[in-house]
Amino acid sequence: AQKVTQAQTEISVVEKEDVTLDCVYETRDTTYYLFWYKQPPSGELVFLIRRNSFDEQNEISGRYSWNFQKSTSSFNFTITASQVVDSAVYFCALSAGGNQGGKLIFGQGTELSVKP
Amino acid sequence: ETGVTQTPRHLVMGMTNKKSLKCEQHLGHNAMYWYKQSAKKPLELMFVYSLEERVENNSVPSRFSPECPNSSHLFLHLHTLQPEDSALYLCASSQGTFTSTDTQYFGPGTRLTVL
Repeated sequence: AQKVTQAQTEISVVEKEDVTLDCVYETRDTTYYLFWYKQPPSGELVFLIRRNSFDEQNEISGRYSWNFQKSTSSFNFTITASQVVDSAVYFCALSAGGNQGGKLIFGQGTELSVKP
Repeated sequence: ETGVTQTPRHLVMGMTNKKSLKCEQHLGHNAMYWYKQSAKKPLELMFVYSLEERVENNSVPSRFSPECPNSSHLFLHLHTLQPEDSALYLCASSQGTFTSTDTQYFGPGTRLTVL
């Protein structure tokens, strides 16, 4: 069975703090893709990153960084020097693979609140 | 980013009403999706259209009826809904067909309230 677990339901930090959002996944597929999306209060899911299972290099994009570790089935997301505009719900997702590659399995989401 | 648009943004309807949600993508994508997002639950995939053909129907009640007249438009027709159907309905599209793992791009959603 495929599953994504985001154990942190809510996180609250003060502006300029670093924060890490955890994501643990389960799959039997050897080829799969992992995603992170941001959902601000407006509701739209904003795509942040897509990573395939063969690329374990960490990725950095501005204040955002992602740590992919197959050994622990984790794909964690770190925001450095958080800002109020980072307040949102963040979702980690796994593609189903095979002939249903377009099917995304989402975690429950982590609600991040960044206070000034 | 206005790649995927949805109308209306908010909808309140009674259980006996019939209404439709509309989604339009301006990205030239081949697959379109309907998701339901209820409070405190993960996003649930409802329907998938790939090259205008329905390829996934995730055990959705028949009171939800999708329609994809062309690759740019997707509708969700609603009738005799229940209060538990109140949720945020999100539309998404992706470049490839359902068998690919292309990134899905989402619209802003329609907040539906069923009285």
